[in-house]
Amino acid sequence: DIQLTQSPSFLSASVGDRVTISCRASQDINSYLTWYQQNPGKAPKVLIYDASTLQSGVPSRFSGSRSGTEFTLTISSLQPEDFATYYCLQCKDYPLTFGQGTRLEIK
Amino acid sequence: EVQLVESGGDLVQPGGSLKLSCAASGFTFHYYYMGWVRRAPGKGLEWVANIRHDGSEKYYVDAVKGRFTISRDNANSVLYLQMGSLRAEDTAVYYCVTYKRPPYYFDYWGQGTRVTVSS
Repeated sequence: DIQLTQSPSFLSASVGDRVTISCRASQDINSYLTWYQQNPGKAPKVLIYDASTLQSGVPSRFSGSRSGTEFTLTISSLQPEDFATYYCLQCKDYPLTFGQGTRLEIK
Repeated sequence: EVQLVESGGDLVQPGGSLKLSCAASGFTFHYYYMGWVRRAPGKGLEWVANIRHDGSEKYYVDAVKGRFTISRDNANSVLYLQMGSLRAEDTAVYYCVTYKRPPYYFDYWGQGTRVTVSS
């Protein structure tokens, strides 16, 4: 099975900060990586797919990148609505697997 | 507008069974792979199962193999998850999802239905 190691698990930041979240795959997954945002009591929302393609309607302050098996989600300037939990997902092979999540909280 | 509406979640005793449904609308259901994803209390997201657009192929996470069955009714645009031999660790919110391919990801999500396994 492909493991996704997401870091950090918890992140405290302020409005206006630039933050990055990492997701490392245990083997090559090409660019079959998606980033989601989930708020409490809500369904997850797609931010980035194919490692770096911004989902329609998602603000441009969100971006994704890939370097080998290392993937990064960057939020260029945190807004109040961005404080949520973030997950990565690989769809290279079954079983499909998620990272363990990064909880982003207001400092 | 794409809509996925789950139903069937309930409180069930360990060892029991439950069938979840997902009514889909706003897209051509029979063209899409579909799936289920869950989130247990205090835990992260976990993929549970996927089904090919015509129902001919099904995929499961090891934790539910032999206990859960995913199926679909393309005539009525409904996705199902039959859950059996339920355990406390199956307690979660279950989301119905569309699986876009390519590119490969879950694009639309329902609001979820809660399953609680407890005596």
